Amino acid sequence: DTGVSQDPRHKITKRGQNVTFRCDPISEHNRLYWYRQTLGQGPEFLTYFQNEAQLEKSRLLSDRFSAERPKGSFSTLEIQRTEQGDSAMYLCASRRLGGAGNTEAFFGQGTRLTVV
Amino acid sequence: GENVEQHPSTLSVQEGDSAVIKCTYSDSASNYFPWYKQELGKRPQLIIDIRSNVGEKKDQRIAVTLNKTAKHFSLHITETQPEDSAVYFCAASMSGATDSWGKLQFGAGTQVVVTP
Repeated sequence: DTGVSQDPRHKITKRGQNVTFRCDPISEHNRLYWYRQTLGQGPEFLTYFQNEAQLEKSRLLSDRFSAERPKGSFSTLEIQRTEQGDSAMYLCASRRLGGAGNTEAFFGQGTRLTVV
Repeated sequence: GENVEQHPSTLSVQEGDSAVIKCTYSDSASNYFPWYKQELGKRPQLIIDIRSNVGEKKDQRIAVTLNKTAKHFSLHITETQPEDSAVYFCAASMSGATDSWGKLQFGAGTQVVVTP
């Protein structure tokens, strides 16, 4: 599968611990997005990057959340002092800006976080 | 910000019948409207999209219509098959002054069940 890949696929952590997820986008995609999806809901936007620049953060993203894309390729999402309410599927998506106008966003398979 | 509402939340249809899912959006600046299909435990996958300069688009058994004046768009699936059973999400994306292709705002999803 040469699409968007995320690691790990599943993460179980104790409340209060820190976790970090990784996303590797499709190689020529300059836009990278993080979404959170809870059961029975649509993906909720968290943040996105244009190359290495973080352009927008949702108000859902508390100060316990931080995301980076240091070299404009892979991205990491870190959650500090996890809470049970952080339990969700964290989805990464990438798309190519401009060019021939293909704006399709491709999603990774997600990282399912369970905070116990 | 953009707000997308999706109806119905669940839809049961007999195999061979048509299914229609409707979405409304709030921001008239939105100009890109994709539909994603998500099977249980899998990533969302784009099935069709439409831009604001087009009123209708078809791809085999799937069609999407857009009414910019009323700010609503719909997904139509004809001749439904059991493999069409999944959760379908609509989304809207707006272009800002500094962002050519903005983040996707998703609806809450429609669980479609096609019974043989």
